[in-house]
Amino acid sequence: GAVVSQHPSWVICKSGTSVKIECRSLDFQATTMFWYRQFPKQSLMLMATSNEGSKATYEQGVEKDKFLINHASLTLSTLTVTSAHPEDSSFYICSARDFNEQFFGPGTRLTVL
Amino acid sequence: GEDVEQSLFLSVREGDSSVINCTYTDSSSTYLYWYKQEPGAGLQLLTYIFSNMDMKQDQRLTVLLNKKDKHLSLRIADTQTGDSAIYFCAESSRSGNTGKLIFGQGTTLQVKP
Repeated sequence: GAVVSQHPSWVICKSGTSVKIECRSLDFQATTMFWYRQFPKQSLMLMATSNEGSKATYEQGVEKDKFLINHASLTLSTLTVTSAHPEDSSFYICSARDFNEQFFGPGTRLTVL
Repeated sequence: GEDVEQSLFLSVREGDSSVINCTYTDSSSTYLYWYKQEPGAGLQLLTYIFSNMDMKQDQRLTVLLNKKDKHLSLRIADTQTGDSAIYFCAESSRSGNTGKLIFGQGTTLQVKP
């Protein structure tokens, strides 16, 4: 199957700082990418749909000014957690759509101290 | 709204078959997916089925779809300890044809040697 990478795989930051997470489709072009958040022992919660060349579509309850999404090319989407706080600590997973299949990145573990 | 439900836990012995069940509410779902997640990792697409199919088999995996009852199952034949993981079913949302996925809570499969 297609490969999606995320960088970094884990990050620890101080409260109040901003953190950028990259999601790349390595062997295919993805006009649509998705960002999810997963809490321990829970399912994935869709945060937003990232569309290449246009604004992201955020799910209800997700603050767009806090979670900035940029999808500048067909192979890269970035999620920036601005002014991170401990409650933002979570596992962030991206996925990229290739026709009828959706491939997931390995996830980024964010810990905010 | 759309909803996907799974049982939370399944324990089997190595060599037995495992059957993980899933129910969904959106009758207009076009594709239904099974993903596997190992600890600390992203999601691995195992298989998917188009809504006009009843069954799909791929090596040790068999997917059964009962569209009338909105019931999906994943059967793993000859279950191995390496199959221990969390299994998520997901349906593709018809919303805006974005390919957005709605996930179940995940079923933890424990394989005992």
